[in-house]
Amino acid sequence: AQSVTQLDSQVPVFEEAPVELRCNYSSSVSVYLFWYVQYPNQGLQLLLKYLSGSTLVKSINGFEAEFNKSQTSFHLRKPSVHISDTAEYFCAVSTGYNFNKFYFGSGTKLNVKP
Amino acid sequence: DAGITQSPRHKVTETGTPVTLRCHQTENHRYMYWYRQDPGHGLRLIHYSYGVKDTDKGEVSDGYSVSRSKTEDFLLTLESATSSQTSVYFCATNGLAGGTDTQYFGPGTRLTVL
Repeated sequence: AQSVTQLDSQVPVFEEAPVELRCNYSSSVSVYLFWYVQYPNQGLQLLLKYLSGSTLVKSINGFEAEFNKSQTSFHLRKPSVHISDTAEYFCAVSTGYNFNKFYFGSGTKLNVKP
Repeated sequence: DAGITQSPRHKVTETGTPVTLRCHQTENHRYMYWYRQDPGHGLRLIHYSYGVKDTDKGEVSDGYSVSRSKTEDFLLTLESATSSQTSVYFCATNGLAGGTDTQYFGPGTRLTVL
């Protein structure tokens, strides 16, 4: 089975500061990579995904993530966070063994403080 | 958002009783998934389905069974509930083969086993 590691369980940050949420995966074969966001008492929503092509992918609300094959990482970044970004963020991967099975990290709670 | 509903949304039951959770989708998606979400573990795949009557195990399938007799419904059964199965259960769907599509999540079912 694949593994996805999110190194930080909680990240506190002040509003308008930059943030990076880290994600590493274990697969050595081709992968598809995803970041999902979960607001309190809700299901998960897709934030952005990497399937192929440009290694830098962006979301509509200012987040971006870069696929780094050599470091098997897919870190999520935002240059300036807002209070409304407070949520839990999950990294997920599906691999060339079975692209229809998804493996999730343990999540990172982003707490944006005023 | 994909039309995914889960029922019940909340359930309290006693150890040893069978429990069935239902996931219903209106998107005609081929793939459906059941995950459980626990603090510190993120989402873990229990079972998934790649078509009517076609299912496969995920990483935490012990104590759970599933059935899919119609495209729109995916049932998760806890054969004899235990306290370790207290969790939030999420259903998800995926419309395309190859894992290249977004997973859409239902609102979740909070299950408490006393």
